[in-house]
Amino acid sequence: GAGVSQTPSNKVTEKGKYVELRCDPISGHTALYWYRQSLGQGPEFLIYFQGTGAADDSGLPNDRFFAVRPEGSVSTLKIQRTERGDSAVYLCASSRAGGLIDEQFFGPGTRLTVL
Amino acid sequence: GDSVTQMEGPVTLSEEAFLTINCTYTATGYPSLFWYVQYPGEGLQLLLKATKADDKGSNKGFEATYRKETTSFHLEKGSVQVSDSAVYFCALRGTGGFKTIFGAGTRLFVKA
Repeated sequence: GAGVSQTPSNKVTEKGKYVELRCDPISGHTALYWYRQSLGQGPEFLIYFQGTGAADDSGLPNDRFFAVRPEGSVSTLKIQRTERGDSAVYLCASSRAGGLIDEQFFGPGTRLTVL
Repeated sequence: GDSVTQMEGPVTLSEEAFLTINCTYTATGYPSLFWYVQYPGEGLQLLLKATKADDKGSNKGFEATYRKETTSFHLEKGSVQVSDSAVYFCALRGTGGFKTIFGAGTRLFVKA
């Protein structure tokens, strides 16, 4: 079946602009995660959804970052007033139920470049 | 807070050499431990996992044993292939939450 998909694959924007990044999880997966991976680093947790609600948003760096999952499937990560330091690959993952040992399946990522 | 430390790369080996990538962790309680792999141009994939002390995870000839006494989860393979060239990430998921904490990654190059 289809894996996790993310769009766009690449996004170039100017400092101060608003961007939206989309994630389509595997069908039937109730848990969805966003991570950010800077060059040469491991993925860094941003937010976790269980169904429609954000169960843990402790990784969001500041209030410029916001994510939604209104119908419990597709999720959108929104970044306001982008800064050059926001440049990174944004990864989405989903898992069947969000349990401690549930496998998380990762999408290919969206590479965001802020000029 | 929880954290993962893994050996810096790059690691360069000849084909059929023995591989060890060291990983140690800091966490409260009993986390689950993972190794993920990222092949060139591809997304992160789970390689293996272990959920309790002394468990051994294995897949594709790779192995790692959950050692609570040394808080380690070293990745090993007896004979590497060129196709194993990739970036390897050690990770943990703590008992208190659902987020996965990753190490910085170790790039492996295998020469023919």
